[in-house]
Amino acid sequence: KAGVTQTPRYLIKTRGQQVTLSCSPISGHRSVSWYQQTPGQGLQFLFEYFSETQRNKGNFPGRFSGRQFSNSRSEMNVSTLELGDSALYLCASSFEDAIGEAFFGQGTRLTVV
Amino acid sequence: DQQVKQNSPSLSVQEGRISILNCDYTNSMFDYFLWYKKYPAEGPTFLISISSIKDKNEDGRFTVFLNKSAKHLSLHIVPSQPGDSAVYFCAAINNAGNMLTFGGGTRLMVKP
Repeated sequence: KAGVTQTPRYLIKTRGQQVTLSCSPISGHRSVSWYQQTPGQGLQFLFEYFSETQRNKGNFPGRFSGRQFSNSRSEMNVSTLELGDSALYLCASSFEDAIGEAFFGQGTRLTVV
Repeated sequence: DQQVKQNSPSLSVQEGRISILNCDYTNSMFDYFLWYKKYPAEGPTFLISISSIKDKNEDGRFTVFLNKSAKHLSLHIVPSQPGDSAVYFCAAINNAGNMLTFGGGTRLMVKP
């Protein structure tokens, strides 16, 4: 059974640009969550999608957005990139009703220069 | 305001001894707690969890203890092995939403 797949693994962007990250969940998983990991702030919740609907949203500015497709694949987008957006972005998938046990992908390392 | 805290950024233990990682939380609405292990350049891997209706859960060398009155949980690893060297995150979830709130992590180093 394939795990959570995130693409690309590494990305370098310039300030002001926008970026789209992709996540393919484990087959059968309908919930997809996104997290940002930085040295200073640790792992922070961005948002969670289930059946193409955003169910939960963390405390991030509107420049961060996401969506989920009918096959449960998800994308997140960051517009007008800032240097502080440099981070490891992690996607996690879980079953519909499973509380907590989320399976994480390897992440996308975004560097903003 | 950090709702989940891991006050020890690092811990060093000799192989074969016990590793104890601690975590404190402030939100009384948390009712499920998890520990994740993370190696560099990889995503976190689920290790063990505990529901708030229990005070202990054991899985092989890993045991998690929950003290609700103190809002404290701990992860015990016995015996510790060099392969256990990683960053350990505790996380909490409340029944109102499907999101994990993570602590800042503790880097465990197990010396041979």
